[in-house]
Amino acid sequence: QSVLTQPPSVSAAPGQKVTISCSGSSSNIGNNYVSWYQQLPGTAPKLLIYDNNKRPSGIPDRFSGSKSGTSATLGITGLQTGDEANYYCGTWDSGLSGGVFGGGTKLTVL
Amino acid sequence: QLVESGGGLVQPGGSLRLSCVGSGFTLSNYWMLWVRQAPAKGLEWVSRIRGDGSATGYADSVKGRFTISRDNAKNTLYLQMSSLRVEDTAVYYCTRDFYYFAMDVWGQGTTVTVSS
Repeated sequence: QSVLTQPPSVSAAPGQKVTISCSGSSSNIGNNYVSWYQQLPGTAPKLLIYDNNKRPSGIPDRFSGSKSGTSATLGITGLQTGDEANYYCGTWDSGLSGGVFGGGTKLTVL
Repeated sequence: QLVESGGGLVQPGGSLRLSCVGSGFTLSNYWMLWVRQAPAKGLEWVSRIRGDGSATGYADSVKGRFTISRDNAKNTLYLQMSSLRVEDTAVYYCTRDFYYFAMDVWGQGTTVTVSS
């Protein structure tokens, strides 16, 4: 059971938009920065979003992040088949004094 | 770039030391972390260490069994694992925390299998 809650799967057609939610509490998302990662099969995770809504250099603006209260959301527009991957949210948990991740969301581009 | 090594097959109760060599940046400028991923499972934070080595933290699941350390002169991060359990079986990633638990550089991972 992960500290952060994500939907197990989402799907959408190529070119469409999808959002992935990440729900936590005041000890983690509510008072810390959220980051998002993309993990393609057999590879290491890749940072997509940090500081709730900032993109590292090289990450296209099709990817966006937002946070409200104790929840965060990753948005992906203009879906491509290459976006099929597992997506994870992560943040620090001040109560646990440790890092926490969501259980991951598998994105299928139909 | 980060490159891990030291994974392998070990019996329950055994020990293993993972290493992670960094290149292209100065390790001492960053908190460094270990994150693991059990087969077909999600990511799990394991441990972290401050740039100068003066502070460390561990997940409850490994506290008292794992020790994180670093040798900044060698630009190398370590994870000493002891009293290993079957549930420690995972790919272990070394990663750089560049902004409040945002990890922007990851190694390729090293596989640890705990089995009799």
